[in-house]
Amino acid sequence: GAGVSQSPRYKVAKRGQDVALRCDPISGHVSLFWYQQALGQGPEFLTYFQNEAQLDKSGLPSDRFFAERPEGSVSTLKIQRTQQEDSAVYLCASSRYAESTDTQYFGPGTRLTVL
Amino acid sequence: AQSVAQPEDQVNVAEGNPLTVKCTYSVSGNPYLFWYVQYPNRGLQFLLKYITGDNLVKGSYGFEAEFNKSQTSFHLKKPSALVSDSALYFCAVRDMGRGGGNKLTFGTGTQLKVEL
Repeated sequence: GAGVSQSPRYKVAKRGQDVALRCDPISGHVSLFWYQQALGQGPEFLTYFQNEAQLDKSGLPSDRFFAERPEGSVSTLKIQRTQQEDSAVYLCASSRYAESTDTQYFGPGTRLTVL
Repeated sequence: AQSVAQPEDQVNVAEGNPLTVKCTYSVSGNPYLFWYVQYPNRGLQFLLKYITGDNLVKGSYGFEAEFNKSQTSFHLKKPSALVSDSALYFCAVRDMGRGGGNKLTFGTGTQLKVEL
């Protein structure tokens, strides 16, 4: 079946611009996660949704980062007033249930470059 | 706080030889442990996980990993490496102790290079 999809795959923004990154999880998956992967590093947790509820946003680096999942399926990660340090690959993952033992399945990521 | 260490940035192995990619972890409670593989310009692919039970876990593509509680390790192994196994490997942990949540904490990754 279809996996997690993300769009756009690549985004170039000028410093100060706002960007919106989209994630389509696997159909029916309850849990959705966003991670940030800087060059040469492992992914770092940003935020977690269970259906439409954002249960953990402890990893969002600043108030310029905002995520939503209004209908419990598609999610959008928005970054306002982008800065060069925001350049990274943004990964979305989903899992079938809300159980902590569930496997997270990752999308291909969106590579954001801020000039 | 939970953490993962992958002490080797790169591992080189000849095709047909066994491979090991090392991972150690630190958690406050019981760990759930995962291995993922990342190919260039692609997302992470799940290989295997340890939740409970048998310490030897078998996963995709002939990979396996051994959970060792006393050494807090979860090393990834394969008996016979293939050139196509060359990729970036990540170990991750979910801390089932208080405050761990559902997030994964990843290591910095180990680049595996399998040569003919």
